[in-house]
Amino acid sequence: QQQVKQSPQSLIVQKGGISIINCAYENTAFDYFPWYQQFPGKGPALLIAIRPDVSEKKEGRFTISFNKSAKQFSLHIMDSQPGDSATYFCAAGGTNAGKSTFGDGTTLTVKP
Amino acid sequence: DAGVTQSPTHLIKTRGQQVTLRCSPKSGHDTVSWYQQALGQGPQFIFQYYEEEERQRGNFPDRFSGHQFPNYSSELNVNALLLGDSALYLCASSRAFNYGYTFGSGTRLTVV
Repeated sequence: QQQVKQSPQSLIVQKGGISIINCAYENTAFDYFPWYQQFPGKGPALLIAIRPDVSEKKEGRFTISFNKSAKQFSLHIMDSQPGDSATYFCAAGGTNAGKSTFGDGTTLTVKP
Repeated sequence: DAGVTQSPTHLIKTRGQQVTLRCSPKSGHDTVSWYQQALGQGPQFIFQYYEEEERQRGNFPDRFSGHQFPNYSSELNVNALLLGDSALYLCASSRAFNYGYTFGSGTRLTVV
């Protein structure tokens, strides 16, 4: 049973555009929702994370929107740049959930 | 400040052999988690170590075992290797109950 579903699988955006990646989770015990960025040959790097007591968190060009009732959260990348081209993973975890569970990833390509 | 260090970076093993992968956590981190990432997929949780004990385990067979040393470094051992064990093995460290993982660049294991 996949506990975190991520979409789309791939995304192509023009430079300067907005990239949006969505995730849905099932386990209500999750209380920590990070996004990771992974470049080829590297491990995932923590990008931004949110807890369910807030509906939005912004760090620079990256924003997480969180909808607790729908059990969904999304990553918005504003003013997307070619250097943002990477694979993005959402994850869900927390004290009661124990381990972090990852989505299957979204490959983002930003065209110049 | 060194991040998470994994060794070796690449490894080729024959089916049926045993392998040991090593991880040194980021300075200040005391919790180590291991993940298996197959090509094109998200990381799958193997297990987590804290205070030299296995605290959480994912859906992996007993062929996968681990250890954490007093200096917080960790090893992942896989016995009786199968072709399907070929993957990128990622080590992630964090402070206890801090869910912001720092990942290493991984060990690429190829089983032939």
